[in-house]
Amino acid sequence: GAVVSQHPSWVICKSGTSVKIECRSLDFQATTMFWYRQFPKQSLMLMATSNEGSKATYEQGVEKDKFLINHASLTLSTLTVTSAHPEDSSFYICSATTGMGYGYTFGSGTRLTVV
Amino acid sequence: QKEVEQDPGPLSVPEGAIVSLNCTYSNSAFQYFMWYRQYSRKGPELLMYTYSSGNKEDGRFTAQVDKSSKYISLFIRDSQPSDSATYLCAMSGSVGTSYGKLTFGQGTILTVHP
Repeated sequence: GAVVSQHPSWVICKSGTSVKIECRSLDFQATTMFWYRQFPKQSLMLMATSNEGSKATYEQGVEKDKFLINHASLTLSTLTVTSAHPEDSSFYICSATTGMGYGYTFGSGTRLTVV
Repeated sequence: QKEVEQDPGPLSVPEGAIVSLNCTYSNSAFQYFMWYRQYSRKGPELLMYTYSSGNKEDGRFTAQVDKSSKYISLFIRDSQPSDSATYLCAMSGSVGTSYGKLTFGQGTILTVHP
């Protein structure tokens, strides 16, 4: 089946630094990748949608200059949290799809802690 | 009002019980309906998907969609302790702003005790 690899699985960084999270589709070409944020005991909130070779579309309220998304190939998307602050600490999850109505595969998530 | 409403629980049942999980939604553009299972600190994994209305069965799991009532359900028969997880309903549409994007329910925390 389709596999999405997400790295790192957890990261601790100092306030003010930047962190990059990678999302790779291992055995299929992802036309679209999605980035979600999840707080403890809450659901997934969509942050942005990225299509290969074009600018990401951000959801309302998500700072595009803070959460930089790059989708340089059909198998790789990255999320960079710039100038991280403690309130950015969260669980970030990526998802990739081939475009079918139900074909979304999720990565295993990245737990970011900003100290 | 949220587009998708799901009772967060928590829900605790004995092993072997039948579990019923439900979501309601307000966006009539939703056409694809999914149930995901998420273990702690892991990404969601797809359990069931249904296109439009109807029932679908896969082993111990049955998904039902009633578009007229904007109501979907997931039934788990003969529940096992390994079924303990958070269950998330998710939906997407085929047109408009809901196309290609999943909208999730809040998730229901399920514990199956031996």
